Amino acid sequence: EPEVTQTPSHQVTQMGQEVILRCVPISNHLYFYWYRQILGQKVEFLVSFYNNEISEKSEIFDDQFSVERPDGSNFTLKIRSTKLEDSAMYFCASSEGLSGNTIYFGEGSWLTVV
Amino acid sequence: AQSVTQLDSHVSVSEGTPVLLRCNYSSSYSPSLFWYVQHPNKGLQLLLKYTSAATLVKGINGFEAEFKKSETSFHLTKPSAHMSDAAEYFCVVSASYNTDKLIFGTGTRLQVFP
Repeated sequence: EPEVTQTPSHQVTQMGQEVILRCVPISNHLYFYWYRQILGQKVEFLVSFYNNEISEKSEIFDDQFSVERPDGSNFTLKIRSTKLEDSAMYFCASSEGLSGNTIYFGEGSWLTVV
Repeated sequence: AQSVTQLDSHVSVSEGTPVLLRCNYSSSYSPSLFWYVQHPNKGLQLLLKYTSAATLVKGINGFEAEFKKSETSFHLTKPSAHMSDAAEYFCVVSASYNTDKLIFGTGTRLQVFP
């Protein structure tokens, strides 16, 4: 079964450093997403991406965050200057389309900011 | 605004007994509803989804859920629990009819005892 893959599985970074989380969505999918889950809290939507641009973003997704699809297969989330509160599990996801299409999630990238 | 409420943060059952994980939703339109499962150190896996077709939805691993509009509920059930069912379960609703943004519940941790 095709799957969404994410790297790294775990990253520890110092506060203020830039972090890039990488994802390879399912190959025929057109919609890409990032969600995050702070320890003990809900899974939260960050951003959706379609046709090489952001289609929707949450209040969490401020100027410190950016997403990019640098080639035909990768989808990245960049955090420019990490803060302690960015420590979370970050999930990449993808789907074929809107309106009830299944969204497939990767296994997540644990980010720990120290 | 759409939301889901998972009524139990923890549920414990004995192996071989029925499982019931409760979820109520709030939506201003006919929602798409999902149940996702997260096993320890794993990503989010779709168990089943409701998108306004049959109200009784069958998913993977013997799980099913019934959409009850009159009760605004979407409870997840399984006739007989297995040790491998121990995980965190999330009830999820689509944020709007024309968006792919998902809104997660707080999760229910299912423990299965031998």
